[in-house]
Amino acid sequence: QVQMVQSGAEVKKPGASVKVSCKASGYPFSGYYVHWVRQAPGQGLEWMGWINCDTGGTDYAQRFRGRVTLTRDTSIGTAYMELSRLTSDDTALYYCARDVGYGGSKNCFDPWGQGTLVTVSS
Amino acid sequence: QSALTQPRSVSGSPGQSVTISCTGTSSDVGGYNYVSWYQHYPGKAPKLMIYGVSKWPSGVPDRFSGSKSGNTASLTISGLQAEDEADYYCCSYGGTYTVFGGGTKLTVL
Repeated sequence: QVQMVQSGAEVKKPGASVKVSCKASGYPFSGYYVHWVRQAPGQGLEWMGWINCDTGGTDYAQRFRGRVTLTRDTSIGTAYMELSRLTSDDTALYYCARDVGYGGSKNCFDPWGQGTLVTVSS
Repeated sequence: QSALTQPRSVSGSPGQSVTISCTGTSSDVGGYNYVSWYQHYPGKAPKLMIYGVSKWPSGVPDRFSGSKSGNTASLTISGLQAEDEADYYCCSYGGTYTVFGGGTKLTVL
């Protein structure tokens, strides 16, 4: 079945960077977009951006531009999210999610990864 | 790109129907038929319940239905069951952005 499996929890110091991986299986990886969404403690879901796993093209939410980089490795069916210049406000659960559209984005997400907790603390 | 507006909480008894609203603008909810809804149990991955305003993904019961009027989308859950108690989020495309609602906690009384 289609699955997205993320890397484990991370603890980082303010100012550092974090890179989270998302291993896809059960479908042709390059045929779909992968989105990243985060949820800070007690807050709602926040969309961060997407990557076209075929072309490598990306789009980022305005508030993360310049700090987030989405990449992918088609040889191993894995997408990555790197967030730099971390602050305590970046402490959150980070999710990857596959777009439902094949060959183009339908801007909805299924399935989701299990989430990766990133804690930023001095 | 402000978050879409959802009620913080709704409640209903088993067997009843509840509706969760999601208000955006003409740039997002009102401008595109790319509204989706997610069910989220704390600590679990969110689950897609409705996409394209009113379409069902495979495996989602038809007790869940979606609609849209102007800048407001709605999720209706009929025949409420105990397992429906969860957080629900709407999401919309806005041309150059994607935005979620703030989430609604559904309590089954």
